[in-house]
Amino acid sequence: SAVISQKPSRDICQRGTSLTIQCQVDSQVTMMFWYRQQPGQSLTLIATANQGSEATYESGFVIDKFPISRPNLTFSTLTVSNMSPEDSSIYLCSVLQAEAFFGQGTRLTVV
Amino acid sequence: QKEVEQNSGPLSVPEGAIASLNCTYSDRVSQSFFWYRQYSGKSPELIMSIYSNGDKEDGRFTAQLNKASQYVSLLIRDSQPSDSATYLCAVKRATDKLIFGTGTRLQVFP
Repeated sequence: SAVISQKPSRDICQRGTSLTIQCQVDSQVTMMFWYRQQPGQSLTLIATANQGSEATYESGFVIDKFPISRPNLTFSTLTVSNMSPEDSSIYLCSVLQAEAFFGQGTRLTVV
Repeated sequence: QKEVEQNSGPLSVPEGAIASLNCTYSDRVSQSFFWYRQYSGKSPELIMSIYSNGDKEDGRFTAQLNKASQYVSLLIRDSQPSDSATYLCAVKRATDKLIFGTGTRLQVFP
């Protein structure tokens, strides 16, 4: 299984600011995904990060709010822009091989 | 109707008992199904994957799949307090996206 390093592990941010979360994989993977997990909830898919093209966003998520980069087959970033307290969540990157594996998650608190 | 449905629980079982976790899904063309365990404050970890109708066993865990009924289950035999966690059912769409249920919280008491 792929080893996924995600950082930061946690952060406390002021409203109106932006945070960029990084996800590094130890092998080349075609499919990378970003999820959000709000307190006490399950995982909601934000977008699929495609190498060499724009990310594909799920309903309810937009590029202006959650811009994603995927410069190569081992790395991706998710930015949470113009944050509000409602963005306080755990954000998880995931890679898909035969099965999906997750990074350690980023616990974001917006104050 | 949600794409993947689970009973949120909590499901409480005594130590040593069998815990039975259930999941239904709506997309008939789904072919790949997964169970993840998530401890509080941690990211999900894969327990089992199942792709064919029937049972798949791995240690104390058995996954069961019935595509006709669009039903997936996970049995945990000889439940231990360390099994106390939230169990997430996930279904892979034809687009390779993984969609999760809301999770079932399992409590195993000594």
